[in-house]
Amino acid sequence: GAVVSQHPSWVICKSGTSVKIECRSLDFQATTMFWYRQFPKQSLMLMATSNEGSKATYEQGVEKDKFLINHASLTLSTLTVTSAHPEDSSFYICSADGLRPDTQYFGPGTRLTVL
Amino acid sequence: SQQGEEDPQALSIQEGENATMNCSYKTSINNLQWYRQNSGRGLVHLILIRSNEREKHSGRLRVTLDTSKKSSSLLITASRAADTASYFCATDGSSNTGKLIFGQGTTLQVKP
Repeated sequence: GAVVSQHPSWVICKSGTSVKIECRSLDFQATTMFWYRQFPKQSLMLMATSNEGSKATYEQGVEKDKFLINHASLTLSTLTVTSAHPEDSSFYICSADGLRPDTQYFGPGTRLTVL
Repeated sequence: SQQGEEDPQALSIQEGENATMNCSYKTSINNLQWYRQNSGRGLVHLILIRSNEREKHSGRLRVTLDTSKKSSSLLITASRAADTASYFCATDGSSNTGKLIFGQGTTLQVKP
């Protein structure tokens, strides 16, 4: 149990295009979903926290108009990178909680490369 | 913002040896967790230790927590090549939002 999936696992796009990444909790309903970004050989940086049916809460320094988060249901959250640029190339990881206290379950990540 | 510092940044040992990683944090916490990440993959939850606990075991893993020093250690005993991965500590920063603050991580290589 407690499986979180992400789609796509990797994507390559041209500069200026938008990319949508999906995060799904497959076998449980997630109270909250979190989006992280990880640059090569670095740690995870929390980008935003999202709850179903409400606006996401963004961390300081994260542009909410650039990284659009939609949490449409208790099992699905999406992150859209709008007008992507090469500096947005990164590994994006989502996580979900709600199954066990104080425990987040992480997706496998999405590798975004912007040319 | 990142609040965890981990050392060493990289660790290389032989199979069968023990590996110890340390984590320090800056604010008060409710709990501290350790995660493992294989290269290019998502994170796997290893163990959670609460602020009122000092030591916890899970299989070959042993975690200690010293809240007075704001530090934790992860010990992997009798390491295996399959333990090769990056290990991260994460704290909740005493918030009840579920947000996690990750340390910089330790990259462990276990040579067969």
